[in-house]
Amino acid sequence: DVKVTQSSRYLVKRTGEKVFLECVQDMDHENMFWYRQDPGLGLRLIYFSYDVKMKEKGDIPEGYSVSREKKERFSLILESASTNQTSMYLCASNLGQGNEQFFGPGTRLTVL
Amino acid sequence: AQSVAQPEDQVNVAEGNPLTVKCTYSVSGNPYLFWYVQYPNRGLQFLLKYITGDNLVKGSYGFEAEFNKSQTSFHLKKPSALVSDSALYFCAVRDGWGGSYIPTFGRGTSLIVHP
Repeated sequence: DVKVTQSSRYLVKRTGEKVFLECVQDMDHENMFWYRQDPGLGLRLIYFSYDVKMKEKGDIPEGYSVSREKKERFSLILESASTNQTSMYLCASNLGQGNEQFFGPGTRLTVL
Repeated sequence: AQSVAQPEDQVNVAEGNPLTVKCTYSVSGNPYLFWYVQYPNRGLQFLLKYITGDNLVKGSYGFEAEFNKSQTSFHLKKPSALVSDSALYFCAVRDGWGGSYIPTFGRGTSLIVHP
């Protein structure tokens, strides 16, 4: 079974802090994704990576950056957390363009 | 451009009755279509997909979906609903003809199955 793990289920941070969200997948998937999920808005893509050190901006990249130094790990970085970044963050991976995505359990981030 | 719509925010159904969760899409070429389910405080789980072939696709937990090209729809169905089916359901589409190879997700439909 494919497993996608995220470093924290719940996280509380202060405004202005630098926040790291880690995601690891164990099935050698090429593609990895970071989404945020907000009620009524569905899933919105923040960043996408199709290979090590490669990344593409999604629909809402402002205020975020990413890092993919190893194939299995994709990190989301909030350079200076703000209250409007309070959300559920979901990581996903898949093998190729036509394949389904496998999601991690999510990190519920609260920024105070 | 690709887009997907889930016209109902919430669907209510009695246990044992058939259920339908609606999804319509728009793409330039041939669609790749997906359904996912999300239980409370969990990530999304893949249910089924349509890439090509038979219009009726069977998936996990007794769910199925019918691809209708003329109506550009991919509705999720189950013959007999269970209380445990209560969850948030997402439809996603990717345009198989060039364009972005990242899927677009609908806003989700909350399914509530009453005992």
